[in-house]
Amino acid sequence: DTVLTQSPALAVSPGERVTISCRASESVSTLMHWYQQKPGQQPTLLIYLASNLESGVPARFSGSGSGTDFTLTIDPVEADDTATYYCQQSWNDPFTFGSGTKLEIK
Amino acid sequence: QVQLKESGPGLVQPSQTLSLTCTVSGFSLTSNSVHWVRQPPGKGLEWVGAIWSGGSTDYNSALKSRLSISRDTSKSQVFLKMNSLQTEDTAIYFCTANWGYWGQGVMVTVSS
Repeated sequence: DTVLTQSPALAVSPGERVTISCRASESVSTLMHWYQQKPGQQPTLLIYLASNLESGVPARFSGSGSGTDFTLTIDPVEADDTATYYCQQSWNDPFTFGSGTKLEIK
Repeated sequence: QVQLKESGPGLVQPSQTLSLTCTVSGFSLTSNSVHWVRQPPGKGLEWVGAIWSGGSTDYNSALKSRLSISRDTSKSQVFLKMNSLQTEDTAIYFCTANWGYWGQGVMVTVSS
């Protein structure tokens, strides 16, 4: 299975820029997607196919990468961005998720 | 608008079969894929399986021997059946349409 590795946690101040990384154990081309999940809620899609902003998602969110290295950037960060962020690949079967990066806004 | 709602028993006995239903509205199952994803309490997300717009299915290889996903397009429903349940299957089960629309999830506890 394709393993997606994410940093477990980050803490930043409002107004800063934050990058969340996701490294795949094998190439996933650009079939990488990013989700935000707040406690007690379902995940919401932020970025699809590595760099495409989902409709309705603020332009503060952006994604980049291809192959094995991917990044989700939030610039500037707002207090409401406190959440866990997951990457997910849909290139290799089975589809897999990263373990999540918990973002704290100081 | 697009909506998905999961339903099913909250409690299942070990070794028994889990049956969940995802009832959708606002889109056609014959034009969109529906995936099941689960999340054990306090843990991350795991892809369970999918039924594609054409009706074919894909399953997580770790669950494949216990899993079946089907649908009734006339009722706009997708079904998940998983047998031989163990405590490790305790999780919130979500259905999602094309990854962009998600249900609220249903908590399933496997316990005697």
